[in-house]
Amino acid sequence: QSVLTQPPSASGTPGQRVTISCSGGSSNIGSHSVYWYQQLPGTAPKLLIYRSDQRPSGVPDRFSGSKSGTSASLAISGLRSEDEADYYCAAWDDSLSGNVFGTGTQVTVL
Amino acid sequence: EVQLVESGGGLVQPGGSLRLSCAASGFTFDDYAMHWVRQAPGKGLEWVSVISWNGGNINYADSVKGRFTISRDNAKNFLYLQMDSLRAEDTAFYYCAKGRTYYDILHWGQGTLVTVSS
Repeated sequence: QSVLTQPPSASGTPGQRVTISCSGGSSNIGSHSVYWYQQLPGTAPKLLIYRSDQRPSGVPDRFSGSKSGTSASLAISGLRSEDEADYYCAAWDDSLSGNVFGTGTQVTVL
Repeated sequence: EVQLVESGGGLVQPGGSLRLSCAASGFTFDDYAMHWVRQAPGKGLEWVSVISWNGGNINYADSVKGRFTISRDNAKNFLYLQMDSLRAEDTAFYYCAKGRTYYDILHWGQGTLVTVSS
């Protein structure tokens, strides 16, 4: 089972701001950077945020990440229809000696 | 541009074996750790294994420890996953992935489907 907990779903109308939380513990988020991935239907995951708050080139600045203690969050501002996807957080876990993923959040644009 | 292309997936009976391959290009392969991540149809992502740049460090998820073996051939720019004693719950898309360090995942392949069924 997943070690990082995310809400199963989130939604908003076009232009709105949506925030997705990712809750972990001291051995993962509390000690390591958080990564966020976007998975569009039928495709492989794609990196959205690295080192908790950094955006790779090509990722719109509508996407932003933050981390505090053992939790992290992803914010999508100016929501667009093409943002409909599954979103996953991830971090290295010292206790498990491996990467752990969040449970995933499905974002719907109403 | 980083490219990761998986192959070797298919249908296998419970208890059987399968070897996945990942062809890497667009970067200096032997500078980076590599991962395998899987996703059962309709389910979330599950990390499987990681191997350091020279194969000196390797870690596995508890769910596959003792059954799966990760390896790499830096001369050929290939990553492998040998899967033995396969179970129905191993059915999933398997993704090859590259990190910046041993602890992260930045780039993903397109995945290959493994189905374990009689």
